[in-house]
Amino acid sequence: EAGVTQSPTHLIKTRGQQATLRCSPISGHTSVYWYQQALGLGLQFLLWYDEGEERNRGNFPPRFSGRQFPNYSSELNVNALELEDSALYLCASILGGTYGYTFGSGTRLTVV
Amino acid sequence: ELKVEQNPLFLSMQEGKNYTIYCNYSTTSDRLYWYRQDPGKSLESLFVLLSNGAVKQEGRLMASLDTKARLSTLHITAAVHDLSATYFCAVVETNAGKSTFGDGTTLTVKP
Repeated sequence: EAGVTQSPTHLIKTRGQQATLRCSPISGHTSVYWYQQALGLGLQFLLWYDEGEERNRGNFPPRFSGRQFPNYSSELNVNALELEDSALYLCASILGGTYGYTFGSGTRLTVV
Repeated sequence: ELKVEQNPLFLSMQEGKNYTIYCNYSTTSDRLYWYRQDPGKSLESLFVLLSNGAVKQEGRLMASLDTKARLSTLHITAAVHDLSATYFCAVVETNAGKSTFGDGTTLTVKP
């Protein structure tokens, strides 16, 4: 069974540009979660998508947005990039409450 | 707002020693997870704790949950170098569909 896949692995952007990050959950998982992990810090909840709808978002500005497609894959878009957006962005899916999240390998975004 | 506090944040220990990492949280929850993260890597699920008094063990790691005290512990027995990593606890906010993570405990096991 394929795990959670994320692309690209690394992304370098210039301040003010837009970044698009992609995630495919494990087959059969309908929910996708996005987390941001800035260097040396913990994980901050960004977004939760389920069945194509945004169900909850964390305390991030509106320039962080995303969507979930009919095949349950998801995109995270970050507009007007700022230097502090540099972080590891992790996507996760979950089968049910008795299981933990399965995380993808992440996209490391660097804003210069 | 749910708050999750881990301590210690940094832990240096010698091989063969025992130690406990603590995870306190501020509101009731029915699920708590422990994860491991190696440098530059993603998170790996270690334990899922679902009820008061739950205890899970895998190798040299044992996790427990006391929902009344809002406390989970991750106990390390006879540490080995391979356990060096950052360990996170995460408390599930069921209706919010998200987990709130602690800041992580960076464990270094020295020979």
